[in-house]
Amino acid sequence: AQTVTQSQPEMSVQEAETVTLSCTYDTSENNYYLFWYKQPPSRQMILVIRQEAYKQQNATENRFSVNFQKAAKSFSLKISDSQLGDTAMYFCAFMNYGGSQGNLIFGKGTKLSVKP
Amino acid sequence: DSGVTQTPKHLITATGQRVTLRCSPRSGDLSVYWYQQSLDQGLQFLIQYYNGEERAKGNILERFSAQQFPDLHSELNLSSLELGDSALYFCASSARAIGTEAFFGQGTRLTVV
Repeated sequence: AQTVTQSQPEMSVQEAETVTLSCTYDTSENNYYLFWYKQPPSRQMILVIRQEAYKQQNATENRFSVNFQKAAKSFSLKISDSQLGDTAMYFCAFMNYGGSQGNLIFGKGTKLSVKP
Repeated sequence: DSGVTQTPKHLITATGQRVTLRCSPRSGDLSVYWYQQSLDQGLQFLIQYYNGEERAKGNILERFSAQQFPDLHSELNLSSLELGDSALYFCASSARAIGTEAFFGQGTRLTVV
């Protein structure tokens, strides 16, 4: 069974600085996707970024980028130029591409606070 | 706005009761997923439907059931409710059965008293 681990329950960062959230996962599959979701106080789950396991290039979306290390089964999220609106819970998630079901497996989350 | 609509947003009910949560997926999406988010268990997958058929089951209790209708909306039925069922219930939808990203509704906050 796949598992996702986020070892940092809480983090804080000053506005305009850079922060990195960690995620590791365990799987025996070769084809899969990894995601970061953001859950602000409004509780909406918002997709931040996705990474296909077969792609060596790290995904980037504006101020958000990932460091995907397939051999190490590591998938960290870097947020550059942090903004107050980035304050939220961040969830790392795994999806097995080759299986029969398309559900996500989530980590426990990291609560990020951006301070002015 | 993700395009996924969940009703109601909040629900308060007593132990032993039964409730129905409703989800309308994004236009064109065939898969619907239900997730439960609680403080102690985190975000857990309950069940997936694809084009009206049950596709996969996760940690769904026997007291819970779901279905997807011909118009692709889905309902999650929770019966014999217990205090521990208090949680945020999310619906998500995706275009296909596997391999596509899911978009989440705003959730239904269920409080069992």
